[in-house]
Amino acid sequence: AQTVTQSQPEMSVQEAETVTLSCTYDTSESDYYLFWYKQPPSRQMILVIRQEAYKQQNATENRFSVNFQKAAKSFSLKISDSQLGDAAMYFCAYRSSLTQGGSEKLVFGKGTKLTVNP
Amino acid sequence: EPEVTQTPSHQVTQMGQEVILRCVPISNHLYFYWYRQILGQKVEFLVSFYNNEISEKSEIFDDQFSVERPDGSNFTLKIRSTKLEDSAMYFCASGQGGSTDTQYFGPGTRLTVL
Repeated sequence: AQTVTQSQPEMSVQEAETVTLSCTYDTSESDYYLFWYKQPPSRQMILVIRQEAYKQQNATENRFSVNFQKAAKSFSLKISDSQLGDAAMYFCAYRSSLTQGGSEKLVFGKGTKLTVNP
Repeated sequence: EPEVTQTPSHQVTQMGQEVILRCVPISNHLYFYWYRQILGQKVEFLVSFYNNEISEKSEIFDDQFSVERPDGSNFTLKIRSTKLEDSAMYFCASGQGGSTDTQYFGPGTRLTVL
């Protein structure tokens, strides 16, 4: 079974600075998808960014980018120019590729609580 | 932008009572999911639903749980006889399906069992 590990329970960053959240995963599959979701105090899960494992290029979405290291099974999220509104719980998630008969479910890490200091 | 909605936002019930949590997925999505998050813990998969039947379920999703798509828009999760340990945030998600599927989550229903 796949597992997702987020080793940083909490992180903090100064407004306008850059922060990197770590995520590692374990899988024997070759094709899969990785996601970062944000959960603000309102507790709604919001998709931040996704990465297809077959793509070598790292995904970017405005101030959010990932460093995907497939061999190391690492998928970190970098937030540039941090804003107060970025304060939230961030979850890394894994999903199998359906074309390989994998599971549809998302497997989540335990999350990293990000605090943004003014 | 279309989004997944859930009602109620907060449900309080007595142990042993039945509850129904409701979700309206994004209209052109075909795959529907329920997840739960016990306070302070990770988000856990419960069940996925496609073409009017369960396509996958977790060990958590025992006989006390059921899902239904009673009409073309709603997707419900029923817990027949609630236990204290069912207290959690329940998230509905939907997706278009296919190999590139991304699941979009609703705001969640906080269930409190007393």
